[in-house]
Amino acid sequence: GQQVMQIPQYQHVQEGEDFTTYCNSSTTLSNIQWYKQRPGGHPVFLIQLVKSGEVKKQKRLTFQFGEAKKNSSLHITATQTTDVGTYFCAGPINYQLIWGAGTKLIIKP
Amino acid sequence: EAQVTQNPRYLITVTGKKLTVTCSQNMNHEYMSWYRQDPGLGLRQIYYSMNVEVTDKGDVPEGYKVSRKEKRNFPLILESPSPNQTSLYFCASSSGPLAGIYNEQFFGPGTRLTVL
Repeated sequence: GQQVMQIPQYQHVQEGEDFTTYCNSSTTLSNIQWYKQRPGGHPVFLIQLVKSGEVKKQKRLTFQFGEAKKNSSLHITATQTTDVGTYFCAGPINYQLIWGAGTKLIIKP
Repeated sequence: EAQVTQNPRYLITVTGKKLTVTCSQNMNHEYMSWYRQDPGLGLRQIYYSMNVEVTDKGDVPEGYKVSRKEKRNFPLILESPSPNQTSLYFCASSSGPLAGIYNEQFFGPGTRLTVL
């Protein structure tokens, strides 16, 4: 069925290294949302992208929406311990919000 | 304070004993939905509601029921719970959607359900 694929499932980084997660949809999306879930918490909205090729920044976070509106990425520069958690993308397909499986950001000790 | 509340937060029950998880939002949102979250599977939508008296199945509706009699409330009912429904459940709400654009989803704190 129609779905949103997200990779990688986990990413281990040293504090200060960069982190990237990718989402790919089997169909064109009208918009895509990104959420962060801290350990033990609930998903919290980060941003929404609507336009083809859109790039938005929030401090060290950069969000991109592909030209074909089928893929998106989240890049974190110079990760900090506060970035730990799972990052999800979600896009509407046939009146439902379909979620990627999430990418867990783990900071190596 | 704008919020989505869920009750109970934790529940341990036995197979077959009917239960209801309540969800309420105070933001006058049209769209509400229920998700379950299992390790490695992300968030899977169980049911969603576009407005009062309008509900529809998500990806994993089997074994669940919902109702939307009032705009603020969207209870999740498990008529005969089974162990495979042990999971973390989230309720969420948002305004819209409008013209296919879904707005920010506000999530409740979650309900951790264990069915023995």
